Formats: sequence, C-alpha cells, structure tokens
Amino acid sequence: GEDVEQSLFLSVREGDSSVINCTYTDSSSTYLYWYKQEPGAGLQLLTYIFSNMDMKQDQRLTVLLNKKDKHLSLRIADTQTGDSAIYFCAEFNEGSARQLTFGSGTQLTVLP
Amino acid sequence: KAGVTQTPRYLIKTRGQQVTLSCSPISGHRSVSWYQQTPGQGLQFLFEYFSETQRNKGNFPGRFSGRQFSNSRSEMNVSTLELGDSALYLCASSTGRQSDEQYFGPGTRLTVT
Repeated sequence: GEDVEQSLFLSVREGDSSVINCTYTDSSSTYLYWYKQEPGAGLQLLTYIFSNMDMKQDQRLTVLLNKKDKHLSLRIADTQTGDSAIYFCAEFNEGSARQLTFGSGTQLTVLP
Repeated sequence: KAGVTQTPRYLIKTRGQQVTLSCSPISGHRSVSWYQQTPGQGLQFLFEYFSETQRNKGNFPGRFSGRQFSNSRSEMNVSTLELGDSALYLCASSTGRQSDEQYFGPGTRLTVT
C-alpha cells in the first residue's frame, strides 16, 4: 500500500538552511506536496512538484525529487523563527485513488 | 479571492450525538475533500466530492457521511459520535481537474466528551 515517511524532529539555527526529507512508496504518484501547519491552524500549501520533474525552486524553498529512490526533500534557505512549524509531505495519485497520503510530519524548531 | 472556509471552528459534543460540519471551497473550485487529523493516526482521507457526487472514499465507517451542494459547498456528518472521533477535521478545495493544487481550510476542532 501507500506509505509516506518523514523524520519527526529537526532543529536548526536561525539563518541556517533546513532540509526536511520524505520517502514514499507509491510509484504512480503524480504530484508530491509540501504543507506547513502552525499550532491551531490548518494546512498551508507551500509548494508541490510533478513527478516528472526533479527540482523546483520558489523563493527560499527548493524541492528535490529523486524518483528512482522515491525520495523527496524540502530545503528552506535562511531559516527564520517564523518557519517553526510542522511540515508535511504528501503524495497524490490522480488516478483511481484521488487522495493525498500524508507523512507523519516533521516538527521544525528554529533556534535563535 | 477568498480562501476555504469551515464552520464551526470549534465544537463540543457528547457521545452518541451527531454533528454536521460545513466547508465552503474557493470560488470556482468544484472538488472538496475531507480529512481527519488526530495525534495517533495523523492525517487520514475521508472522502472527496466533485460536482455533487462522491468520487472517492477512505476507510472510515458508515457513520461518516457527506454531501455536496450545487454551489460546491460540502457538509460532513458524523452520527453516533464516539470519543475517538475527537479530531481536527480539515477540508481541501481544488478545481478537480488533473493538474491540481489542493488548498485547505482552517479546520473544525471537534471534541467528543
């Protein structure tokens, strides 16, 4: 079945880069998403990448996709205290299973 | 453009009662999906509605149901509430077409006592 895995915690110093990793199992995934969740809030769409791409950059965010290894990463450059949140990766299959399958989330803590 | 709205934001119910949650998608979006978020199970897919039809369903018991209206607003109903139904219920809005971005609302926090 489908499974998405992430490490649970990551701590970085303000100004450093953060890299959040994710692995997935569904080779027919068509899109891979990154969402951010702050305490008490819903999910904020940060970025997504089509499965036929290997990289996408959007301001401070860089997404890398290694389809062979089914590995996805999100790099946040110049991490700020406001980036502290839980980050979820999710895979989406636009075929019969039109649903997002989420990882367990990575709690990012940015230290001053 | 207004984002996804969910009402109510917070709800407290007792076991055995039923509850209805509402989601209004982004204007022009025809697909609404519902997700349950709990500390133990994480984010799990409930169902998706597109043009008033349920298009996909997750692995939840029949106590969980939904519907979509002609204006794309969707409601989710949970009958005979159990303590384990306490969760944050999130809805996601999208166009429903192939190349799609899924936008979430702020969620409804349901507490069952």
